[in-house]
Amino acid sequence: AQRVTQPEKLLSVFKGAPVELKCNYSYSGSPELFWYVQYSRQRLQLLLRHISRESIKGFTADLNKGETSFHLKKPFAQEEDSAMYYCALRKKTGANNLFFGTGTRLTVIP
Amino acid sequence: DAMVIQNPRYQVTQFGKPVTLSCSQTLNHNVMYWYQQKSSQAPKLLFHYYDKDFNNEADTPDNFQSRRPNTSFCFLDIRSPGLGDAAMYLCATSRGYRGGGGNQPQHFGDGTRLSIL
Repeated sequence: AQRVTQPEKLLSVFKGAPVELKCNYSYSGSPELFWYVQYSRQRLQLLLRHISRESIKGFTADLNKGETSFHLKKPFAQEEDSAMYYCALRKKTGANNLFFGTGTRLTVIP
Repeated sequence: DAMVIQNPRYQVTQFGKPVTLSCSQTLNHNVMYWYQQKSSQAPKLLFHYYDKDFNNEADTPDNFQSRRPNTSFCFLDIRSPGLGDAAMYLCATSRGYRGGGGNQPQHFGDGTRLSIL
């Protein structure tokens, strides 16, 4: 069975400080990992996916298969980064289903 | 803008009274999903349609049904809502390919918050 764990429900950082949102997963196969973000009063939207190896809004995430982690990082947090962040896993084969973590609410303090 | 639209945003129903939530999309995606999200919990997949093929999750209660009359629309029917069914219901779409390879990210609607009296 697959599982996604986000150990921090709440995370507060000061503006300009580095931020890291943790995500660990368990899955016996080869997964695809995603970060979704939900800003206040907005819909859930894709932030980035591991296969793209891209930086979106200054955020990056590297898939570490040895540690089964996909932590989200940004070197300098901005106030507009305050949001709910969900890590999600999708199996590479078979169904297209997403398995979500419980989310981390990030607050960036001015 | 192409998007996923859920109606209504807020739905109140009585205990045991059937309710239908709707989702439409202009993305022409072949896969549509329904998730349930209870307070402080992760979104949990209830079922999805892959084209016309209905795929139910093993632990989705029988109380929950879905219909997809065409590519653009998908409905979630709750036959006899209980208090435990109060939640946010999220619809999502994606372009999917048989065998799983090359599947695209999911696009979400704003959700419908269901309350049970």
